[in-house]
Amino acid sequence: SQELEQSPQSLIVQEGKNLTINCTSSKTLYGLYWYKQKYGEGLIFLMMLQKGGEEKSHEKITAKLDEKKQQSSLHITASQPSHAGIYLCGADSGGADGLTFGKGTHLIIQP
Amino acid sequence: GAVVSQHPSRVICKSGTSVKIECRSLDFQATTMFWYRQFPKQSLMLMATSNEGSKATYEQGVEKDKFLINHASLTLSTLTVTSAHPEDSSFYICSARGRGGHYGYTFGSGTRLTVV
Repeated sequence: SQELEQSPQSLIVQEGKNLTINCTSSKTLYGLYWYKQKYGEGLIFLMMLQKGGEEKSHEKITAKLDEKKQQSSLHITASQPSHAGIYLCGADSGGADGLTFGKGTHLIIQP
Repeated sequence: GAVVSQHPSRVICKSGTSVKIECRSLDFQATTMFWYRQFPKQSLMLMATSNEGSKATYEQGVEKDKFLINHASLTLSTLTVTSAHPEDSSFYICSARGRGGHYGYTFGSGTRLTVV
């Protein structure tokens, strides 16, 4: 079965600073999804990556998928309090099994 | 864009009772519905997968007689937690996928279940 490892598990960043969250898969990724979640609430879709070397950006968040399609990074530039939350990466195996999620990264933004 | 409506958002029930959670796809046909559970400070764990008109497929360790899933139509799937116990208290969230994988994976807003 596919496993996803996210790092770091938690992150405290001063407002305005940049940060990076990593997601490593035990198998080649068919698709990699990034979501943001506030605890006890639903998931907010951020980005989906499918092609090796692909990079997507939305506002101050950039996500990349490496050429081998086994690792993805999420980078936030000039962090803001609104960026605080839990960031989850989800792997699509290409079958009918739904997404497999990493354990999440808890991001805290300090003013 | 694709929207999945999940109700209720919060529910408190007594031990031994049953609780039904609904997920509706509002603007697309959800041929596949995935049900996840999330314990505090942990990630989402897939419980079961259901395809419209078929029996659900449960992940290892998930009791199918306890977590009844119905996916009778292309826009509605339900999860019923039967004879709930305090250890069933958790955050339950559904994810719908359209025909051919259209709309990717659209998540509901989740249900916080507390069994007292």
